[in-house]
Amino acid sequence: AQTVTQSQPEMSVQEAETVTLSCTYDTSESNYYLFWYKQPPSRQMILVIRQEAYKQQNATENRFSVNFQKAAKSFSLKISDSQLGDTAMYFCAFMKGANSKLTFGKGITLSVRP
Amino acid sequence: DVKVTQSSRYLVKRTGEKVFLECVQDMDHENMFWYRQDPGLGLRLIYFSYDVKMKEKGDIPEGYSVSREKKERFSLILESASTNQTSMYLCASKETGLGSQPQHFGDGTRLSIL
Repeated sequence: AQTVTQSQPEMSVQEAETVTLSCTYDTSESNYYLFWYKQPPSRQMILVIRQEAYKQQNATENRFSVNFQKAAKSFSLKISDSQLGDTAMYFCAFMKGANSKLTFGKGITLSVRP
Repeated sequence: DVKVTQSSRYLVKRTGEKVFLECVQDMDHENMFWYRQDPGLGLRLIYFSYDVKMKEKGDIPEGYSVSREKKERFSLILESASTNQTSMYLCASKETGLGSQPQHFGDGTRLSIL
């Protein structure tokens, strides 16, 4: 079975600064997908960024980028130029191959300070 | 945009009641999912469905059942509600066969069992 570990329960960052959220996973699969989801307070869970394991290039979406280290089974999320609207709970998630089941980490609460 | 609609944002029920949580998606997705979200535990999969009348147990199916009579609707049923089922429940849907496509989530139902 796959496991996803987010070891930091909370983080805080000053507005406009950069923050990195860590995630590690454990799997014996070679083909899989990794995701970061964002859940703002009392709002819907939305996708932030995704990474296919077969791609060596790290995914980037505007201010959000990942550092995907396949050998180390690490998938961290970097948020540049943090904004107040980035305050949310962030979940790292793993999906095996074409199987659509997601395994989530426990999440991290990120607070952006003005 | 994909729309996943959960019938209630907040619900209060009594121990022993039969509770129905409804979820409807408007994008003709084959896959639908029910999760529960608890502080410090992240999201845990209760049941999922790959097609109409198809269902599979997730990681924590005990005390729950599901129904998928139509493609767009996936219902979660608490046969005899108990206080340990007080939680936030999230429904999600996804296209089949496209591994990197994300799951799309509803707003969630915060269920309290008294």
